[in-house]
Amino acid sequence: NAGVTQTPKFQVLKTGQSMTLQCAQDMNHNSMYWYRQDPGMGLRLIYYSASEGTTDKGEVPNGYNVSRLNKREFSLRLESAAPSQTSVYFCASTFGTEAFFGQGTRLTVV
Amino acid sequence: QKEVEQNSGPLSVPEGAIASLNCTYSDRGSQSFFWYRQYSGKSPELIMFIYSNGDKEDGRFTAQLNKASQYVSLLIRDSQPSDSATYLCAVRGYQKVTFGIGTKLQVIP
Repeated sequence: NAGVTQTPKFQVLKTGQSMTLQCAQDMNHNSMYWYRQDPGMGLRLIYYSASEGTTDKGEVPNGYNVSRLNKREFSLRLESAAPSQTSVYFCASTFGTEAFFGQGTRLTVV
Repeated sequence: QKEVEQNSGPLSVPEGAIASLNCTYSDRGSQSFFWYRQYSGKSPELIMFIYSNGDKEDGRFTAQLNKASQYVSLLIRDSQPSDSATYLCAVRGYQKVTFGIGTKLQVIP
């Protein structure tokens, strides 16, 4: 049982480049989330998807887009990366009381 | 006002002591409350959740909830060096889970 799988684990981008962070869960959860974590800022919600076919903005959505491709997959896209998007990104899915996190993606934008 | 507030610490306690971690939240409609532990470079992992006012105990951990005061706390008894981590308070409202910035706990041997 893999849980929540994020790819890639590490990525370096140049300013202006685009990329998509992939997330997949095999637990049949309805709700999925993308967070970013920065020193002193905690986990901040970028976007979430309460169910397949729906997405909503979180606290810091600017510069990002998401796609809930199906119940398993929830991707996060940076169309034009900026240094301010250097962060650790976590995908999570929830069922009932618990959020299950992926292992994180460490993204550096230079 | 942030939705979930925590003191970032660090909170330093000697080994064997009780560590007390606190969290306040702004949304009175919040339904459930969680404490996550995050070791450096790792993903958060759930250690406690609580729905109802009062105390909930699980081993060395006790979660306390006071909805009238919008306050959640986590007590760690007999603190061990392996408890040194960042503890994240999380609050579940309608459809989403919001996290605090986390409190860094250091247990001194």
